[in-house]
Amino acid sequence: DAKTTQPPSMDCAEGRAANLPCNHSTISGNEYVYWYRQIHSQGPQYIIHGLKNNETNEMASLIITEDRKSSTLILPHATLRDTAVYYCIVITGANNLFFGTGTRLTVIP
Amino acid sequence: KAGVTQTPRYLIKTRGQQVTLSCSPISGHRSVSWYQQTPGQGLQFLFEYFSETQRNKGNFPGRFSGRQFSNSRSEMNVSTLELGDSALYLCASSHGSQRSYGYTFGSGTRLTVV
Repeated sequence: DAKTTQPPSMDCAEGRAANLPCNHSTISGNEYVYWYRQIHSQGPQYIIHGLKNNETNEMASLIITEDRKSSTLILPHATLRDTAVYYCIVITGANNLFFGTGTRLTVIP
Repeated sequence: KAGVTQTPRYLIKTRGQQVTLSCSPISGHRSVSWYQQTPGQGLQFLFEYFSETQRNKGNFPGRFSGRQFSNSRSEMNVSTLELGDSALYLCASSHGSQRSYGYTFGSGTRLTVV
C-alpha cells in the first residue's frame, strides 16, 4: 500500500536538469513529502523534504503542487554520480516511511 | 558527526540458525527503524523503536524481533532463518518527530542465508 507513484525509469543527459515526478494523491494535510536516493545498494541518502511550500537546498529543488497531490524533484545539473534510484516518500502521522518502487535515473554522458 | 553505524556489514548464515544485527544511531537520535530490502520486494518497513519501546511494526512474522537500549542503540534478531531472509537490512535513525526531520540511514548489513 505504497502512498506514492513514480515512473520506473528515466534518462537524463549529463549537465541537464533532471525532473523526477511523483504522485501522492492520498496525502493528508500533515504528511510530509521526502525524497531519498539509493546508489547501488548503499543506504538511502536524504535529498530534500517539504510540506506545502517549494524547497531548495544544495542538492535539489522540490516543487509541490498547490493541491499537494504531486511533486517534482529537480536536480538542476545532473552528473554521472546522480545515477541512482530515487524514492519519493510520504511520512505518515504514525511516522512510518513507505518506500515505493522508486525511479531509476540514469545520467547519460 | 558520526553517522548511523551498522554491524556487521556482511553475514553468511545457515538456514535454521538465528542472527543478531546491530545499529548505533546518530548521537541524540532517539528513534531507530529497521528495513529489509530485497530485489523482489524492495524496501519494506520492519519496525521502529523510540525510547526503548517498539512504536510501529510492519507486516513481518514473529521470527523478526528487535529491541532498543537506553543509549538508543538497537538490535534486530531473526530466528529460524529461511533462504528468503537473504536481504540487505537497513537501519535508520531520527529525532522523535520523523515527519519534520527525516531519517538518516546506515550502510546496511547484507545477510546471506545458505
